[in-house]
Formats: sequence, C-alpha cells, structure tokens
Amino acid sequence: QQQVKQSPQSLIVQKGGISIINCAYENTAFDYFPWYQQFPGKGPALLIAIRPDVSEKKEGRFTISFNKSAKQFSLHIMDSQPGDSATYFCAASIHNAGNMLTFGGGTRLMVKP
Amino acid sequence: DTGVSQNPRHKITKRGQNVTFRCDPISEHNRLYWYRQTLGQGPEFLTYFQNEAQLEKSRLLSDRFSAERPKGSFSTLEIQRTEQGDSAMYLCASSLRWDLDEKLFFGSGTQLSVL
Repeated sequence: QQQVKQSPQSLIVQKGGISIINCAYENTAFDYFPWYQQFPGKGPALLIAIRPDVSEKKEGRFTISFNKSAKQFSLHIMDSQPGDSATYFCAASIHNAGNMLTFGGGTRLMVKP
Repeated sequence: DTGVSQNPRHKITKRGQNVTFRCDPISEHNRLYWYRQTLGQGPEFLTYFQNEAQLEKSRLLSDRFSAERPKGSFSTLEIQRTEQGDSAMYLCASSLRWDLDEKLFFGSGTQLSVL
C-alpha cells in the first residue's frame, strides 16, 4: 500500500527558479519526514528532515514546509541550479519503532540552464 | 572511503539461480537496513538489523529472501531461486541508533538482472 504519495512525477525548472515538490501521508503515527536526493547510479542521500513539532525547516537553499493537520509536507529548492537535477524522494517513518522509511514515488527534477 | 559499501555493483544471473549480496556499513553504525528499488520507484523497505539481531523481517518479499548480519558488522542478502521479477536495485543503508535524527546513509546499491 502506498502510504506516502508524491507529486509531481517530473518537474522542469529554469535556473534560478524555485522547485516545489509535494508529499502527502496517511499514517498519523509517522513522526519523521526526510527528503532524499538520488543521482543516477547512486544511492539516495539525505538532504533535510523535519519532525512534526515544527512547521518549517530551512537548510541553505532547501526548505521543508510541514502541515500536520493536512498530513502534507513539501520541499522547496530556492535558486535552483543545474546541479540540482536529480530524483527527489520524500519519506516518512515512526522514528522510535525502527525508523523504517516509507518512500514516495519520486520526482525527477530537471533544472535548465 | 568511509561510506556504506555494497558488492557487487552489478549481478547478472539466470532464473532459478541463487544470488548473495554483501553490505559493509559505516564502521560505528549499529543499525543496517536493506531496501529494494525498482526502476522509477522509491526504495521499498525489506528488513533491518540492530547489531546482529534482525528486528524486522516480515517485509521480506517472500521466503526466498533472507538476510544475515552474523557479527553485527557486514550483512548479506540472499535470494534463492531467482525470478525475473527480482530484477531491481538492492540498497543497503546504515545508521547510528543513538544519533538524534538517526540519519540513514545509503550505499550505491547492487543492480540485479535476472535473465
């Protein structure tokens, strides 16, 4: 069963623009929400993560916005660069129950120069 | 390189053969996870270990799949009697249980092709 739904499946953004990827979850027990970046032939790499006790977290050009009542969270990439072109995955887990991540389906981002 | 190491990077096998993959986690990490990723999809959790104990294995895809972590260091994932549907990327990740956010660090995976 798909407990984390991610959209859009693909996204094209001009260099310098803002990339926005959205995720929705069903399991209200989830309490840890990371975002991963994956380049072809590589494993996913952690970008940024948030807990439900805050509504926003920013690290550099990457920001997570979290809406607990709507069971939604999103990744914003500011000043998008061609090097950001990759596949992005949201994920969720119950942190103290083994931290077994449930991933979304992924968003393939292309940043045009 | 002190990251998560997976071997082999690629494995081609014939249907019905057994295959085994190895994962060497980051040395101080006590948790080790296996995931499967099919083309165009997000990784799917399979099983995980804390030290040598396998704490969750109900998500292994069938009884043809098994994993071990005999001394709490490296781990192996075995698939018996492979089927074409087993073709996928098998990812290993490790983490430190007492890390505040328990960040998972992934290896580059083993790409399995079953002919």
